[in-house]
Amino acid sequence: QVQLQQSGPELVKPGALVKISCKASGYTFTSYDINWVKQRPGQGLEWIGWIYPGDGSTKYNEKFKGKATLTADKSSSTAYMQLSSLTSENSAVYFCARKLEDDYFDYWGQGTTLTVSS
Amino acid sequence: DIQMTQTTSSLSASLGDRVTISCSASQGISNYLNWYQQKPDGTVKLLIYYTSSLHSGVPSRFSGSGSGTDYSLTISNLEPEDIATYYCQQYSKLPWTFGGGTKLEIK
Repeated sequence: QVQLQQSGPELVKPGALVKISCKASGYTFTSYDINWVKQRPGQGLEWIGWIYPGDGSTKYNEKFKGKATLTADKSSSTAYMQLSSLTSENSAVYFCARKLEDDYFDYWGQGTTLTVSS
Repeated sequence: DIQMTQTTSSLSASLGDRVTISCSASQGISNYLNWYQQKPDGTVKLLIYYTSSLHSGVPSRFSGSGSGTDYSLTISNLEPEDIATYYCQQYSKLPWTFGGGTKLEIK
């Protein structure tokens, strides 16, 4: 069965960077986009961008360009999102999700909680 | 960016009720509208894609409808496991955007 297993919670200091992982299993990793979504406490969902592991191509929400960097490791079927120059505004739960060709997210990871605090 | 508005942020209903959750887009989105369910533990699942197509494994009591700028998710015969927050999402134009969510509670 399709599973997306994300890395554990992170507590990082302002100005630092963090790399969150999303390990895929149960399907051909290189065949589907992995998307990332942000959810701030008590707020809705924001789409960050996608990576196509097959060729490493990416697409970002303009709002997150320069903040998020998406990569993928085909050998381990793992997608990564690096967030840089962290501030309290980046404190949130981050989800990875598989996207089918028809542009819907059919499977989601469990979420990774990022807390930015000194 | 296309703004998605769920005017009802929370909704209370009784078990067995029929519940309708609404979502409005700031411009026409040609039925490119998905619905997701987020459980209290944070788990997110796809319910409906392309306005009215039921995702595999989703109970038939869930249905979607709409066109143009106005869309809705209906849950017939509300069950305890339907307690969750529901989000609409448009994929007509990048960046894809979500509604603010409607939290469903049991009376």
